[in-house]
Amino acid sequence: QITLKESGPTLVKPTETLTLTCTFSGLSTSDSAAGVGWIRQPPGQALEWLALIYWDDDKRYSPSLESRLTITKDTSENQVVLTMRDMDPVDTATYYCAHRRTGLRDFDYWGQGTLVTVSS
Amino acid sequence: DIQMTQSPSSVSASVGDRVTITCRASQDIGTWLAWYQQKPGKGPNLLIYTASGLQSGVPSRFRGSGSGTDFTLTITSLQPEDFATYFCHQSDSFPYTFGQGTKVDIK
Repeated sequence: QITLKESGPTLVKPTETLTLTCTFSGLSTSDSAAGVGWIRQPPGQALEWLALIYWDDDKRYSPSLESRLTITKDTSENQVVLTMRDMDPVDTATYYCAHRRTGLRDFDYWGQGTLVTVSS
Repeated sequence: DIQMTQSPSSVSASVGDRVTITCRASQDIGTWLAWYQQKPGKGPNLLIYTASGLQSGVPSRFRGSGSGTDFTLTITSLQPEDFATYFCHQSDSFPYTFGQGTKVDIK
């Protein structure tokens, strides 16, 4: 059974750095064309893709947020971590991690999401 | 960035109705288009991959079609569990982008 679960703070202050952890199970990490991505969704709004890390450690970022994002993985711990610097109230959203499968390029398994509120 | 324009933004329908949602890409994306269903408080659920592939476990009443810039998701006979929000997603090139969503609610 494949599962992903996001964890991290529910409240951060403006200018602080957010660190989110995606803990997964049941995923094969041997396929270099697969990986884990982060996607967020402000309340009542659309999904926004943030970053993707492949199992071979190649990384991709949203250009509009690239200067603020870092994505890393620890396959020995079955975790992918996203850091977002200089948080702002507009970054208030539910943050999801999702498995990006090889070949088909979609996200076939998603976590339940974690709501992060940015407020002083 | 590739813009994904989804329509309509909302649709009211009854059980048994046929519902069609469209998604238009701002440039040719081949068939690198997926459709997701999202229910309140839940993460998205993959329905359709590469424009017309039915994800394992998804009922056959969900059908995807299209290529290039124009895509369609059709629910052939709406069921009570289908009332949700639907998003399209392009993975032809980075940055990946999503449509604005279509909310299907009860008429």
